[in-house]
Amino acid sequence: GQNIDQPTEMTATEGAIVQINCTYQTSGFNGLFWYQQHAGEAPTFLSYNVLDGLEEKGRFSSFLSRSKGYSYLLLKELQMKDSASYLCAVREDTDKLIFGTGTRLQVFP
Amino acid sequence: ETGVTQTPRHLVMGMTNKKSLKCEQHLGHNAMYWYKQSAKKPLELMFVYSLEERVENNSVPSRFSPECPNSSHLFLHLHTLQPEDSALYLCASSQDLLSPLHFGNGTRLTVT
Repeated sequence: GQNIDQPTEMTATEGAIVQINCTYQTSGFNGLFWYQQHAGEAPTFLSYNVLDGLEEKGRFSSFLSRSKGYSYLLLKELQMKDSASYLCAVREDTDKLIFGTGTRLQVFP
Repeated sequence: ETGVTQTPRHLVMGMTNKKSLKCEQHLGHNAMYWYKQSAKKPLELMFVYSLEERVENNSVPSRFSPECPNSSHLFLHLHTLQPEDSALYLCASSQDLLSPLHFGNGTRLTVT
């Protein structure tokens, strides 16, 4: 079957670095996405990985290992506004994007 | 402004009512989606349209009926819903079926 696992909640301190892990088991793989969702708002696209390795975009980086079924989202220089849920999603087939339950990150001063 | 607009933002309906959710995208995308987001559960894909043709119907009960009259508009028609259908319904669009999704702010639906 299909399964995407992420930690339910994480906490971190302003200015710190946090790594949110995602493991997946799906019947197919056509890319992995990370989305950010603030409470009461739409999810917004953060990053996309289809090949192994690290993709860097400002304070955010995302890593993928297809052989291990593993990805992480790295957030540097944390700010209070980074408090949100972070959703890992795997494109299993061309028209099927499967989401994890999301990791709720709280950043404290 | 997310580029994907959903109305209404909130909806309360009885189990015998008929209502419709509307989604409009201003991004020139070719694919549109309906997702359901319930508390403590992953986003669940309901329907996918590509170039106005339905390409995915994820075993959704027939009390949910989608309509895609053109590439910019998507509707979800609701009738005889159950209380467990209460959730946030998110519309999304993408350039094509492989591109990242752009979500609307959702309609918070409560079925009484």
